[in-house]
Amino acid sequence: QSVLTQPPSVSAAPGQKVTISCSGNSSTIGNDYVSWHRQLPGTAPKLLIYENTRRPSGIPDRFSGSKSGTSATLGITRLQTGDEADYYCATWDNSLSAGVFGGGTKLTVL
Amino acid sequence: QVQVVESGGGVVQPGGSLRLSCVASGFTFSTYGMHWVRQAPGKGLEWVAFILYDGSNQYYADSVKGRVTISRDNSKNTLYLQMNSLRPDDTAVYYCGAGRHSGLGIDPWGQGTLVTVSS
Repeated sequence: QSVLTQPPSVSAAPGQKVTISCSGNSSTIGNDYVSWHRQLPGTAPKLLIYENTRRPSGIPDRFSGSKSGTSATLGITRLQTGDEADYYCATWDNSLSAGVFGGGTKLTVL
Repeated sequence: QVQVVESGGGVVQPGGSLRLSCVASGFTFSTYGMHWVRQAPGKGLEWVAFILYDGSNQYYADSVKGRVTISRDNSKNTLYLQMNSLRPDDTAVYYCGAGRHSGLGIDPWGQGTLVTVSS
């Protein structure tokens, strides 16, 4: 069982918007920045969002991140079939002195 | 081109050892902490270990503590993961990545190297 809790799956139609939640506690999300990583089928993960809200160069503004207290959210607008992937939240656990990932959310674009 | 490339994976018997390497290029390796993350077949990402930019401190997941050592050679832009007393549940693709941002903002990620522990 992951320290960070994500829904196992979400789905939406092309062109629509979806949000993915990530719930932690005061030692994890409540104590450090959150990042989001996307893993397309059969490929390595890639950084989507860092420091809660920031996008690396080359990541379109369809992707956004937010954080409130001990929870974080990834938002994706104008969904495309190419967005179908597994999405993971991550942060540092200050009590464990260890990195932690959410269990991952599989996005299906219907 | 900013990238990291892992190597050293393979098939090893339970109880055996393996050393993974990760060569970085396109960025100043010596200024960033580095992570190892693994993914068992069909499973999610699991953080394994982290080392500070100068190698002064290392951090490990409980699942590998005492069996795994992370190290680096900044003169060779190379990160290592020495794995001992390997078990079947260590079977996974092992990724290295640069800790360029706080909160596990890993970027870039490598393509991964597969470790299979089986008799």
